Amino acid sequence: KAGVTQTPRYLIKTRGQQVTLSCSPISGHRSVSWYQQTPGQGLQFLFEYFSETQRNKGNFPGRFSGRQFSNSRSEMNVSTLELGDSALYLCASRWENTEAFFGQGTRLTVV
Amino acid sequence: EDQVTQSPEALRLQEGESSSLNCSYTVSGLRGLFWYRQDPGKGPEFLFTLYSAGEEKEKERLKATLTKKESFLHITAPKPEDSATYLCAVWRGKLIFGQGTELSVKP
Repeated sequence: KAGVTQTPRYLIKTRGQQVTLSCSPISGHRSVSWYQQTPGQGLQFLFEYFSETQRNKGNFPGRFSGRQFSNSRSEMNVSTLELGDSALYLCASRWENTEAFFGQGTRLTVV
Repeated sequence: EDQVTQSPEALRLQEGESSSLNCSYTVSGLRGLFWYRQDPGKGPEFLFTLYSAGEEKEKERLKATLTKKESFLHITAPKPEDSATYLCAVWRGKLIFGQGTELSVKP
């Protein structure tokens, strides 16, 4: 079956702009989580959505937000982009309390 | 504070030279330890889940083991295609990752 799909794969944005990233989970998975990966900080948890509700949130500023739709697809939004937001953004989906499967990520570059 | 530490940070092996990667963790009430493989520019690929001390899982040249304080990923007779960054993580309502071990296998 199809894996986790993230779009777009690459993005270049200017400081101050906003960006929206999309994630389609594995069919049947209702939990979607987002992670930020940078060389210095590694993989850091942003938030998790389950059945359209945010279930958990990491230590990121309010500029980072997300939502989940009734078909379990999820989007994350970053407003007022900063240079330090340049990273690989990863989405992962899970079925109940099992292992998480990751998408290929969206590489965001802020210039 | 929940913490995951991986060692070494980088490991260079010759093809066929077996070795082990370490993942030590400090969490209260482990609810799963996960190993992932990540190739450059790609998302992590799931390898194993371990839940209790003494548990072992194998897949091709990889074998993961778990104790009460750490997990090992044993690589037997590695090949160049095993080169990647190996990540371990624990589940605490979210995945808490170690910094990874970058493995390079030379022919």
